[in-house]
Amino acid sequence: AQSVTQLDSQVPVFEEAPVELRCNYSSSVSVYLFWYVQYPNQGLQLLLKYLSGSTLVKGINGFEAEFNKSQTSFHLRKPSVHISDTAEYFCAVRGRSGSARQLTFGSGTQLTVLP
Amino acid sequence: DAGVTQSPTHLIKTRGQQVTLRCSPKSGHDTVSWYQQALGQGPQFIFQYYEEEERQRGNFPDRFSGHQFPNYSSELNVNALLLGDSALYLCASSLTVNTEAFFGQGTRLTVV
Repeated sequence: AQSVTQLDSQVPVFEEAPVELRCNYSSSVSVYLFWYVQYPNQGLQLLLKYLSGSTLVKGINGFEAEFNKSQTSFHLRKPSVHISDTAEYFCAVRGRSGSARQLTFGSGTQLTVLP
Repeated sequence: DAGVTQSPTHLIKTRGQQVTLRCSPKSGHDTVSWYQQALGQGPQFIFQYYEEEERQRGNFPDRFSGHQFPNYSSELNVNALLLGDSALYLCASSLTVNTEAFFGQGTRLTVV
């Protein structure tokens, strides 16, 4: 079984400031890790993913995330946010094989960028 | 490429009725998964279809059923609707069961 905890339900930040959205996961099997973004009244768009290799992964729109296996974390960061980054962000995990291959999502973090 | 398309975008049903939601996967994708996203929550996995068979299922009652057609499109059926079934229903497609999932815009179901 897998679970994902997003530690902050809402994160307000001023434009051009850095931001970190926190994600911790629990799993009995090896997993892939994902961050998705959801704009109002839309579906989910993949920001970035960790499959293997370098623990620092870069995604679209200037976002990056670091996989920390010992702390079972996959925090999302951006050095300078824009108003257009205001959206809901979801961390998700998926098992690498067997019956655990469906995506398990966290409850989301609402990022609000203030002018 | 049209991406993943879902229909309808919105619908309102009465408690006890039945509903069918439709999904056309991204071109070339053969695997379809369905998710339920209640207001203010993350998506919850309902089930996944591959080669016209249900391959995995989440913790949802038998009122939720599905189908995949030979052209890989899929339907989600919900019987005996409850008020708690009100949610955004998301369809995701992938090239195989092991690859990246692409999501549609969703169907907003309201049960009154």
